[in-house]
Amino acid sequence: RKEVEQDPGPFNVPEGATVAFNCTYSNSASQSFFWYRQDCRKEPKLLMSVYSSGNEDGRFTAQLNRASQYISLLIRDSKLSDSATYLCAVEKGGYQKVTFGTGTKLQVIP
Amino acid sequence: DAGVIQSPRHEVTEMGQEVTLRCKPISGHDYLFWYRQTMMRGLELLIYFNNNVPIDDSGMPEDRFSAKMPNASFSTLKIQPSEPRDSAVYFCASSLWILTGGLPQHFGDGTRLSIL
Repeated sequence: RKEVEQDPGPFNVPEGATVAFNCTYSNSASQSFFWYRQDCRKEPKLLMSVYSSGNEDGRFTAQLNRASQYISLLIRDSKLSDSATYLCAVEKGGYQKVTFGTGTKLQVIP
Repeated sequence: DAGVIQSPRHEVTEMGQEVTLRCKPISGHDYLFWYRQTMMRGLELLIYFNNNVPIDDSGMPEDRFSAKMPNASFSTLKIQPSEPRDSAVYFCASSLWILTGGLPQHFGDGTRLSIL
């Protein structure tokens, strides 16, 4: 089993829709979690950290489910500009070593 | 504020040649990471440094790859000799460890490497 797994997609959604991605991780000792956004032929950019209590940043909501070992990203009111690949990243506790998922591709359609 | 700076942005060279990639992390960051990204394998961690010291190089593919961080503001990733399968985008990222937030990373623009 891979350390970090994501559905590659693509997720094709209409503008204004709500879409959610999950990311599962295998190491229960994982401590820190992140979502990154990567546009085509660009570098990954930090979108948000994921906190135990869940956190929200505008139209984006991230949640952590330790019992089932996954994190999620919810995007409300999708915009065309949200089209990108979303990478999750998981940091193993005590090692400061981050493993990235292979990403989920989102395409928002007019 | 200046972000992570990588050079060169593009590199095309022939098999067997030495390739050196360069990275300047964000000032004050104490972690530096080197990644390789391909369509097939995604984003792979090659090596990371903490306070200029290599901590984990288990992701370095083989002895042809080496990385150094002589000071807090500069790191290199060297491939010698290069092979066509090394063609990829190489990213450098830096981070400042946050007690309650781990290692949010900031990436450079990457170096697109093509080995002919």
